[in-house]
Amino acid sequence: EPEVTQTPSHQVTQMGQEVILRCVPISNHLYFYWYRQILGQKVEFLVSFYNNEISEKSEIFDDQFSVERPDGSNFTLKIRSTKLEDSAMYFCASRTRRTSNEKLFFGSGTQLSVL
Amino acid sequence: GIQVEQSPPDLILQEGANSTLRCNFSDSVNNLQWFHQNPWGQLINLFYIPSGTKQNGRLSATTVATERYSLLYISSSQTTDSGVYFCAVNGFSGGYNKLIFGAGTRLAVHP
Repeated sequence: EPEVTQTPSHQVTQMGQEVILRCVPISNHLYFYWYRQILGQKVEFLVSFYNNEISEKSEIFDDQFSVERPDGSNFTLKIRSTKLEDSAMYFCASRTRRTSNEKLFFGSGTQLSVL
Repeated sequence: GIQVEQSPPDLILQEGANSTLRCNFSDSVNNLQWFHQNPWGQLINLFYIPSGTKQNGRLSATTVATERYSLLYISSSQTTDSGVYFCAVNGFSGGYNKLIFGAGTRLAVHP
C-alpha cells in the first residue's frame, strides 16, 4: 500500500521557537491534511489544503500555524512560536479526490515536544 | 457537526478472547475508517468501510449505514492487538470533507 511519509518522527524544541514539520504525501494525491493528537486525547482536524490554498481550518489553526507545499512534493506545517500546549503528535494525511467517499491515508506522525 | 461515539472506552481481555468494538455516528456518512494506534503512536489503517462487511485475518468490520453504526470484531486476540482503536467518519454535508474521530477504545490484551 502507498505511504505518506513524515519527518522527523520526533522533534524537541524550546518554547517560542519555530518548528517545521514535513510530510511527503502519496504522489498522485491532491488533497492534504494535518491532524493533531494531544497525549491521551482524540485525533483532531487542523487544516485541509488543495491547489496551493487552505480549504478548511479548525479553530485550533490560529495565526501561529501555517501550511505550505513548497516544491510540489513536500507539504509542511509551520508553528511560528511554539507553546507548551503545542506538544502533541502531528499527523499528515492525503487523498486523491475532493469527494469524501475515499480512504484517507495517514502518515506515521511527528511527536512534537515543547519544553 | 457530526458526532462519533465509541464504546466501550476501555477493554481488558485475556489472550485468545474475542471482542466487539462499536462506533455510533449521528448523521449519514460516506466514509468510515477504523484505525489501530499502536504503542508508538502510529495510526494503522484497518478498514475503509462506509457500508457492508469486510474481513482481514482475525479482524472484521461491519457498517450498517442506515442505522448509523459500525462494529469492529477482533477474534482470538493477541497481545499485539493492544492499543487504541479509533473510528473516524466523513459526513455527506460540509465543504472539503474531513474525517472526524471518535474518542477511541483502549484495548489491553494480557497473556
